[in-house]
Amino acid sequence: GDSVTQMEGPVTLSEEAFLTINCTYTATGYPSLFWYVQYPGEGLQLLLKATKADDKGSNKGFEATYRKETTSFHLEKGSVQVSDSAVYFCALTPSSGNTPLVFGKGTRLSVIA
Amino acid sequence: GAVVSQHPSRVICKSGTSVKIECRSLDFQATTMFWYRQFPKKSLMLMATSNEGSKATYEQGVEKDKFLINHASLTLSTLTVTSAHPEDSSFYICSASGSGGRGGNEQFFGPGTRLTVL
Repeated sequence: GDSVTQMEGPVTLSEEAFLTINCTYTATGYPSLFWYVQYPGEGLQLLLKATKADDKGSNKGFEATYRKETTSFHLEKGSVQVSDSAVYFCALTPSSGNTPLVFGKGTRLSVIA
Repeated sequence: GAVVSQHPSRVICKSGTSVKIECRSLDFQATTMFWYRQFPKKSLMLMATSNEGSKATYEQGVEKDKFLINHASLTLSTLTVTSAHPEDSSFYICSASGSGGRGGNEQFFGPGTRLTVL
């Protein structure tokens, strides 16, 4: 079945450091790919998405590019802030129909001043 | 983006009682709603998929008689945890998507309900 593998945390960075959270997937067909963020005590929020190969999703300084050849969707940010401290989930869903998301295990990011 | 609400946000109950959690799509019609469970420091696990007007489809290992899901309208789905036990304590999250999906099959998540069973 479909699956998502993302790097295990926790990840601790200093403010203004460069962030990469790796995510790879296994899926049949052409899934849509997502990054969700969960701030402490809150629900999941969509951070960015990409629906086809070579698409780049971006939001709030975060970026991820849908790489079909490497089945990856790594999350990057050039300069993290303390407010970026959260848990980040990589996820996928098949390209058609209202189907549930398949989530990675999540990566906890802590940014220190 | 679309808004999905959950109620209550937190609930504490005694072992053996039943708890109902509501999930509402506030500004769109949700033909499909999903219920997930999140254990501490772990990912979200899909419990069931519900389509408006039909029976929910449960994932393997999820007891349908314990976790009753009703999706009676296009804006409301409920999850009832029957005869709750301490091991049912968890963070329950719903998501909703509209007819035909939303540009990439986007789902909109509720803020979650933290259930604690004493």
